[in-house]
Amino acid sequence: DTAVSQTPKYLVTQMGNDKSIKCEQNLGHDTMYWYKQDSKKFLKIMFSYNNKELIINETVPNRFSPKSPDKAHLNLHINSLELGDSAVYFCASTIRTGGGYEQYFGPGTRLTVT
Amino acid sequence: AQKITQTQPGMFVQEKEAVTLDCTYDTSDPSYGLFWYKQPSSGEMIFLIYQGSYDQQNATEGRYSLNFQKARKSANLVISASQLGDSAMYFCAMNFPGSARQLTFGSGTQLTVLP
Repeated sequence: DTAVSQTPKYLVTQMGNDKSIKCEQNLGHDTMYWYKQDSKKFLKIMFSYNNKELIINETVPNRFSPKSPDKAHLNLHINSLELGDSAVYFCASTIRTGGGYEQYFGPGTRLTVT
Repeated sequence: AQKITQTQPGMFVQEKEAVTLDCTYDTSDPSYGLFWYKQPSSGEMIFLIYQGSYDQQNATEGRYSLNFQKARKSANLVISASQLGDSAMYFCAMNFPGSARQLTFGSGTQLTVLP
């Protein structure tokens, strides 16, 4: 069973378009995230949601809008796409275990803006 | 501000040998968690191991162990008996309680296992 899933895996679109990436986790976690991995492989947090509530919003253009309809879903909508938005976007969720914390990532969505 | 540093952009290791991937961090918070992830060429992020700052013993998971030296602020990953499938990018990361527990990542180390 897939723990954190994202759709689509690949997304190719033109500048100026609006697109969405969906994320679902079936782990029962309370906190979910969006990370961006740039062309140099650097990973950076974009947003964090806890129980459907936004708790972290890093310096991200307001063209990016996360939406959490319920605890298991965190979608990312991007308006007016720009060339610089091309990256891999990862959804993740976290849980506290007996040994500490574990944070699991989805398979990633490779967004290419042409 | 918290910072994670991985000083080895690339590493090579012979198959069946052990390899250590370096990670140092900078924080003034006494409570934090340290993570290692593997990213193969297929792109997914695979959780490997976690170490809490108050954990007395070094974390181990199969062939992976975390060499945690708190005073030196280092959290090196040791992979024993390297396999060809270990070739991947490895990321060190940390988070903090009381926050959203989002991860701050290092720049990664590309490990290549040679046959």
